[in-house]
Amino acid sequence: NAGVTQTPKFRVLKTGQSMTLLCAQDMNHEYMYWYRQDPGMGLRLIHYSVGEGTTAKGEVPDGYNVSRLKKQNFLLGLESAAPSQTSVYFCASSYGPGVNYEQYFGPGTRLTVT
Amino acid sequence: LAKTTQPISMDSYEGQEVNITCSHNNIATNDYITWYQQFPSQGPRFIIQGYKTKVTNEVASLFIPADRKSSTLSLPRVSLSDTAVYYCLVGDSTGGGNKLTFGTGTQLKVEL
Repeated sequence: NAGVTQTPKFRVLKTGQSMTLLCAQDMNHEYMYWYRQDPGMGLRLIHYSVGEGTTAKGEVPDGYNVSRLKKQNFLLGLESAAPSQTSVYFCASSYGPGVNYEQYFGPGTRLTVT
Repeated sequence: LAKTTQPISMDSYEGQEVNITCSHNNIATNDYITWYQQFPSQGPRFIIQGYKTKVTNEVASLFIPADRKSSTLSLPRVSLSDTAVYYCLVGDSTGGGNKLTFGTGTQLKVEL
């Protein structure tokens, strides 16, 4: 039982490049989330999903896209990376809505955009 | 977007009780208050969750007043291994929708 895993762990991009971050969970959770964490800012919700085939915007969705084609996977895409997207990205999953159920977090992806 | 605010940092010594308060003025009616712990280079980890009054588990207690506009995480007899950042999480009813809002985090440093 691996819980929540994220791929890759580290990545350096140049401005304008694209990439996809992969999140996988093996707990059969319906809800999945993508957060970014910046120094002094806490965690901010980018996008989330309430089930396979669904996505919704969070607090800071601009510049990101997501897809949930399979229940166990939640992908975060950056189409044209910008230095402002340098951050640590965390994926999480939960059985029910994240404010009322425990969220299980992945180890994070550290992204640097130069 | 309404803020969920916490003290930036706190210092303590081993064996003491630590209380960390979170202010959440716009919490949604049906939402719980949850606290997470985060160590460097790791994802946050669930500590405790409550809706009102007091909740206690094997690692912490959570105190929530009747108006639910704040909450206090209590860590009894802290040790060096409790040095971490602590976040509160609530729903946010601002604008009529519920949004996940993490607090800004409290860096707890425990010394000998």
